Amino acid sequence: KQEVTQIPAALSVPEGENLVLNCSFTDSAIYNLQWFRQDPGKGLTSLLLIQSSQREQTSGRLNASLDKSSGRSTLYIAASQPGDSATYLCAVSWIGGYNKLIFGAGTRLAVHP
Amino acid sequence: DGGITQSPKYLFRKEGQNVTLSCEQNLNHDAMYWYRQDPGQGLRLIYYSQIVNDFQKGDIAEGYSVSREKKESFPLTVTSAQKNPTAFYLCASSIGLAGYTDTQYFGPGTRLTVL
Repeated sequence: KQEVTQIPAALSVPEGENLVLNCSFTDSAIYNLQWFRQDPGKGLTSLLLIQSSQREQTSGRLNASLDKSSGRSTLYIAASQPGDSATYLCAVSWIGGYNKLIFGAGTRLAVHP
Repeated sequence: DGGITQSPKYLFRKEGQNVTLSCEQNLNHDAMYWYRQDPGQGLRLIYYSQIVNDFQKGDIAEGYSVSREKKESFPLTVTSAQKNPTAFYLCASSIGLAGYTDTQYFGPGTRLTVL
């Protein structure tokens, strides 16, 4: 069964810290992996999409890496700010699954001043 | 403004009622999706549509129905057969290039509560 797991479920850090969110997935035959941000009671905002042939993607203070062989991805947030507080969701699409995404349960991040 | 709109934002349903959630996009995307999110959980796919007049069941389609008569619209009906419909419902769309997976763009969601 194709599953996505995110650790930790929740994280609280002081402003300015660099932090890493983890995502693991079963079955390495993926099309791509996406990281999303969700604010409370809101929809999802796409942050980064990594194709299966890529090792990492960067956008501003965000860097996402992909290691298919180990079934892992990490989202690195540099110099965290209170505005980064949200839930971060990892989603994977697998070969043969069209664009069907399987989501992890998310990591709820709180950055305090 | 290009984007995805969902209405209503909040919806209350009595036991045994069918309700329809609206999803409209003006991004000219071919593919559209419906997800359900329960507290503390990730999203689960209900239905998806790759083109007009075509749709497929996702992982949790039982108790739900959809239609895709227009490219920009993909309404979801929650029927009385859905035993636990209280959840946050999210609609998404993507360009939908055949054989290629692309970024999905999400609407703001509808929170459905069964009274």
